[in-house]
Amino acid sequence: AQSVTQPDIHITVSEGASLELRCNYSYGATPYLFWYVQSPGQGLQLLLKYFSGDTLVQGIKGFEAEFKRSQSSFNLRKPSVHWSDAAEYFCAVGREGSARQLTFGSGTQLTVLP
Amino acid sequence: EAQVTQNPRYLITVTGKKLTVTCSQNMNHEYMSWYRQDPGLGLRQIYYSMNVEVTDKGDVPEGYKVSRKEKRNFPLILESPSPNQTSLYFCASSAGHSGANVLTFGAGSRLTVL
Repeated sequence: AQSVTQPDIHITVSEGASLELRCNYSYGATPYLFWYVQSPGQGLQLLLKYFSGDTLVQGIKGFEAEFKRSQSSFNLRKPSVHWSDAAEYFCAVGREGSARQLTFGSGTQLTVLP
Repeated sequence: EAQVTQNPRYLITVTGKKLTVTCSQNMNHEYMSWYRQDPGLGLRQIYYSMNVEVTDKGDVPEGYKVSRKEKRNFPLILESPSPNQTSLYFCASSAGHSGANVLTFGAGSRLTVL
């Protein structure tokens, strides 16, 4: 069975600073990888996804993520954080043929300091 | 607007009092799913449905029931709620049911069982 680890429960950065959120997955084949964001009081919104091809994927709101097969990682990055990026971020892995769809990580809460 | 609508958004109830959380989507999606979100645990799947009259258990189905009589609706039923079902619940849908499909989430329903 697949699993997802987000080792950082809470990260605090200053506005304008760069950001990297870590995600490690465990899955035997090439997974489908996702990052979702949950703003306060909202549902989850897709930031970006990786299925195949170019290992650096671009998403909405200036986010990007890099798939590294050798490290089983799919870290999320943003070069300059805005106060509106404060939210909880979830990494998720899906697999072909699985009706259960996604396995989510435990989430990383991002606080942005002015 | 394409969306998943959940009701109620907030609910406080008492142990043993049956309740239903409704979920409706307007995108003609085949796949629908219920998750619960608890601190430090991320999102865990309760039940899912691949189409009308087709439902199956997720990772944490105990204490819950679902039905899928119409394509657009997927209610979550707690026959006899207990305090350990206090949680934030999300309904989600997608066009297909493989791990490559992007989920659209509702805004969430916060349930407190006293």
